[in-house]
Amino acid sequence: KAGVTQTPRYLIKTRGQQVTLSCSPISGHRSVSWYQQTPGQGLQFLFEYFSETQRNKGNFPGRFSGRQFSNSRSEMNVSTLELGDSALYLCASSQLAGRDRASDTQYFGPGTRLTVL
Amino acid sequence: AQSVAQPEDQVNVAEGNPLTVKCTYSVSGNPYLFWYVQYPNRGLQFLLKYITGDNLVKGSYGFEAEFNKSQTSFHLKKPSALVSDSALYFCAVRDSILTYNQAGTALIFGKGTTLSVSS
Repeated sequence: KAGVTQTPRYLIKTRGQQVTLSCSPISGHRSVSWYQQTPGQGLQFLFEYFSETQRNKGNFPGRFSGRQFSNSRSEMNVSTLELGDSALYLCASSQLAGRDRASDTQYFGPGTRLTVL
Repeated sequence: AQSVAQPEDQVNVAEGNPLTVKCTYSVSGNPYLFWYVQYPNRGLQFLLKYITGDNLVKGSYGFEAEFNKSQTSFHLKKPSALVSDSALYFCAVRDSILTYNQAGTALIFGKGTTLSVSS
């Protein structure tokens, strides 16, 4: 079974631009979560989607948004990019949705390395 | 609030020796605990998890972890380290109560521990 795929793998943008990152979960997985990884802040939760609805959101400004499609694929968007948005953005998928997903394993993609100049 | 601590930024061990990467956690309800490994320029790879039951959990690549409720710890171990085990290791937790209430489904990660295995 193919793993989580993320595109693009690398991206360079300038301040003020916007960017869209894409994530395809493992086949059959219904839940998709996004995380930001930086050297200073470590791994931080951005948001989680299942059934095309945002279920939880981390402590990030409104410039960070996402969505999920009916085939469980997900995109995240960052508008008005700032230098501090430079990070590795990781997508993770898990099979379960609803309350049972507490014990479910999240499987991560390789990430998208975003550099903001 | 949920939290995870990995008290060591770096662990150095010689190949063939046992290794331990430490993790302690804080949650309100029952913890669901996970270990992941990250190689350079890669995403996170799942190693093992503790949900309930036996306190000793066995995972991928010969790794195991011991859940200790009284010490709120979940240390990662391997009896004999390999040079190829050198990587960044993350411990993560979910709180059963927060997750049930749909309030905390995110994995909360520690800062990570760099494991360096020398030949």
